[in-house]
Amino acid sequence: KQEVTQIPAALSVPEGENLVLNCSFTDSAIYNLQWFRQDPGKGLTSLLLIQSSQREQTSGRLNASLDKSSGRSTLYIAASQPGDSATYLCAVMGNAGNMLTFGGGTRLMVKP
Amino acid sequence: NAGVMQNPRHLVRRRGQEARLRCSPMKGHSHVYWYRQLPEEGLKFMVYLQKENIIDESGMPKERFSAEFPKEGPSILRIQQVVRGDSAAYFCASSTGRDEQYFGPGTRLTVT
Repeated sequence: KQEVTQIPAALSVPEGENLVLNCSFTDSAIYNLQWFRQDPGKGLTSLLLIQSSQREQTSGRLNASLDKSSGRSTLYIAASQPGDSATYLCAVMGNAGNMLTFGGGTRLMVKP
Repeated sequence: NAGVMQNPRHLVRRRGQEARLRCSPMKGHSHVYWYRQLPEEGLKFMVYLQKENIIDESGMPKERFSAEFPKEGPSILRIQQVVRGDSAAYFCASSTGRDEQYFGPGTRLTVT
């Protein structure tokens, strides 16, 4: 059974810092991995999707990497801004089925 | 292109009543997923449907819960005889296949 863990559970940084969020998964037989952002009381916004054959994906100030063999992904946020404050979730899709298995999230606070 | 739409956004039911949650996928998406986020817990997969078919209901509680995605109209998640433990945020997502899933804003169910 796939298990997804995100460390740290919460992170507070001053504005302008570069930061890394971590995601690990127990079963390396994944089809893809997706990073989401969730604002309080809101739905999920898809940030980046990495296919199992890819090593990284970039979108603006965000860069996600994937090391499938070691069961790890990182989300790098450059030059953080207060507007980046949210909970960041990673989710993996296994090779069988379309369901996503989610990590518990990292709650990020960027202080002005 | 409108995103995934869910209604109602908030729903209050007394114990024993029925709850009906609706989800309209993004235009062109024929794959629909339901996830549940219990208070202080992560998102958990419930069910995956395509038009008129349930593909995977491995995350659905065995009793009181059902889902459908008819040929015409939205997908419906139905909870009969609700109990306090059903209070949660219910999210719907859609996709074109085994690719990026796009989430709706969620329905927040409160059982009193």
